[in-house]
Amino acid sequence: DAKTTQPPSMDCAEGRAANLPCNHSTISGNEYVYWYRQIHSQGPQYIIHGLKNNETNEMASLIITEDRKSSTLILPHATLRDTAVYYCIVSRRAGNMLTFGGGTRLMVKP
Amino acid sequence: GAGVSQSPRYKVAKRGQDVALRCDPISGHVSLFWYQQALGQGPEFLTYFQNEAQLDKSGLPSDRFFAERPEGSVSTLKIQRTQQEDSAVYLCASSLEGGWQGYTEAFFGQGTRLTVV
Repeated sequence: DAKTTQPPSMDCAEGRAANLPCNHSTISGNEYVYWYRQIHSQGPQYIIHGLKNNETNEMASLIITEDRKSSTLILPHATLRDTAVYYCIVSRRAGNMLTFGGGTRLMVKP
Repeated sequence: GAGVSQSPRYKVAKRGQDVALRCDPISGHVSLFWYQQALGQGPEFLTYFQNEAQLDKSGLPSDRFFAERPEGSVSTLKIQRTQQEDSAVYLCASSLEGGWQGYTEAFFGQGTRLTVV
């Protein structure tokens, strides 16, 4: 599975959009990009995933660059409850044997 | 149940003691996964079951770690002769899909925090 690089931490003002970047320059053609988040003392929670097209669901949007070497997770209106560690994962496996890495600790501030 | 349930939530074991951690997946979920999460780190994959079959155990750190899912539902992760380096949160996850096509999200339990003293 391709390695991902994320900033260790980010801040965001409540109500503003949170844009979380992820670099995956060694991604291969059949590898998906997955995003999970982990709120303190809880298990990880699935957010969204994609292959090459941009994706949107009720939680977030995923923007993948045309060369697929990077992606951005967008939380359109961050709330205090979005404070969590966000993991960007790249995997060719359709199952859930996921390699989490260090993630980005997002702090949403009032 | 409504979600993945793990028990106990907290376990303190003396070094050398055997422990058993239980996971009740979401009813009907075919796939079950165990992860280990050390303090300040992301979760690391341990093992994967599809129904009762253990299809991947490549992440188990040593032969002291053993997992089973005999009836394709509840799973137990057993650690023999615990060591201090085994201290971590052990997370269980389940997902609906049973094959390698398509993707269904993993639902995680809250984990069992194991402290070996």
